Amino acid sequence: SQQGEEDPQALSIQEGENATMNCSYKTSINNLQWYRQNSGRGLVHLILIRSNEREKHSGRLRVTLDTSKKSSSLLITASRAADTASYFCATDNAQGAQKLVFGQGTRLTINP
Amino acid sequence: KAGVTQTPRYLIKTRGQQVTLSCSPISGHRSVSWYQQTPGQGLQFLFEYFSETQRNKGNFPGRFSGRQFSNSRSEMNVSTLELGDSALYLCASFTGSANTEAFFGQGTRLTVV
Repeated sequence: SQQGEEDPQALSIQEGENATMNCSYKTSINNLQWYRQNSGRGLVHLILIRSNEREKHSGRLRVTLDTSKKSSSLLITASRAADTASYFCATDNAQGAQKLVFGQGTRLTINP
Repeated sequence: KAGVTQTPRYLIKTRGQQVTLSCSPISGHRSVSWYQQTPGQGLQFLFEYFSETQRNKGNFPGRFSGRQFSNSRSEMNVSTLELGDSALYLCASFTGSANTEAFFGQGTRLTVV
């Protein structure tokens, strides 16, 4: 079963704009990870945020985590056509990343 | 450093047949997990192996099985294939330590006809 919901399910923006995707989860977590998936291919790891962290940056990516609301957001700034993909959040518990629970994903389309 | 390698990339099988998928993790990673991805159910956890032992199992029928070898390579087997087994099967490699990332292979696209 899926841990949580991702919002929106689909997002279409113009190149250069910022894209924000949200993820909610149901149970206590140890870490939350974000992945990107290009059409029908493998998952590319983007960023990991620990449960005791509130914000993390990596290049054009900014991730926030609010454990009180059981939610996370992924912001991609200055979007590019190459950012077109599906984005998934995945949570793990104290055992670690051996068993990830994924959201349904957000399909992001960047229009040139 | 080589990434996670899954073979084959594509497979077409007939209902009732069985299939074996292979995953070679990142060097030094001892944990291998398998996931099934379908349009309807999304990404679902199948099972995880660490040091040749299955540590975790998802909610899949017994037709889905796996194993891990001493070099950490893992295989997943599906017997008596059904049309609903058509999916992208993804393997993830993980060091086994807490607070570290899981890295995925490109997946095996299985089509059952």
